[in-house]
Amino acid sequence: AQSVSQHNHHVILSEAASLELGCNYSYGGTVNLFWYVQYPGQHLQLLLKYFSGDPLVKGIKGFEAEFIKSKFSFNLRKPSVQWSDTAEYFCAVKQGADGLTFGKGTHLIIQP
Amino acid sequence: KAGVTQTPRYLIKTRGQQVTLSCSPISGHRSVSWYQQTPGQGLQFLFEYFSETQRNKGNFPGRFSGRQFSNSRSEMNVSTLELGDSALYLCASSYGDRDADTIYFGEGSWLTVV
Repeated sequence: AQSVSQHNHHVILSEAASLELGCNYSYGGTVNLFWYVQYPGQHLQLLLKYFSGDPLVKGIKGFEAEFIKSKFSFNLRKPSVQWSDTAEYFCAVKQGADGLTFGKGTHLIIQP
Repeated sequence: KAGVTQTPRYLIKTRGQQVTLSCSPISGHRSVSWYQQTPGQGLQFLFEYFSETQRNKGNFPGRFSGRQFSNSRSEMNVSTLELGDSALYLCASSYGDRDADTIYFGEGSWLTVV
């Protein structure tokens, strides 16, 4: 079964800093990749997704992610974070008919 | 269009009882899946239903079950509740019949077992 590893469990940044959150999945084949965000007190919202094609995908709120097949990675990036980006971020992988496999999440705190 | 709707949002149950949670998917979506979210284990896949049939199942005991109705609405049931079942239960929906299938989540049902 797939497993997903998110390298940083807690990240603290200042506003305007650049962000990169790492995500690696365990093995190859055709996968669908997702980043979800959970703002405090809110439900999981889709940030962006990769199905095929251009490995650099853009999502909402200025987020983007790059799929590197050779590294089994799908890292999330944002050039300049805002206080409102404080949230829990989850990387998820779907392979075939399996359900989503999630990473443990990264708790991001942006200091004003 | 309306998102994924889950009821109830919050509930408290006693050990040994059973609970039923309900989920209405986004209109047009035929796949409904359920996830359990806890601080210790994170987000874990419970099962998926598509066209009233369980299509996939995670690694949970048989106390966890579900069903889907002809209108794609789904229910999940947990019998003989244990303290460790306290969690946020999330329902997600998608079309379920295409490769590039985006999965949307509801707000969840917070279950506390005392």
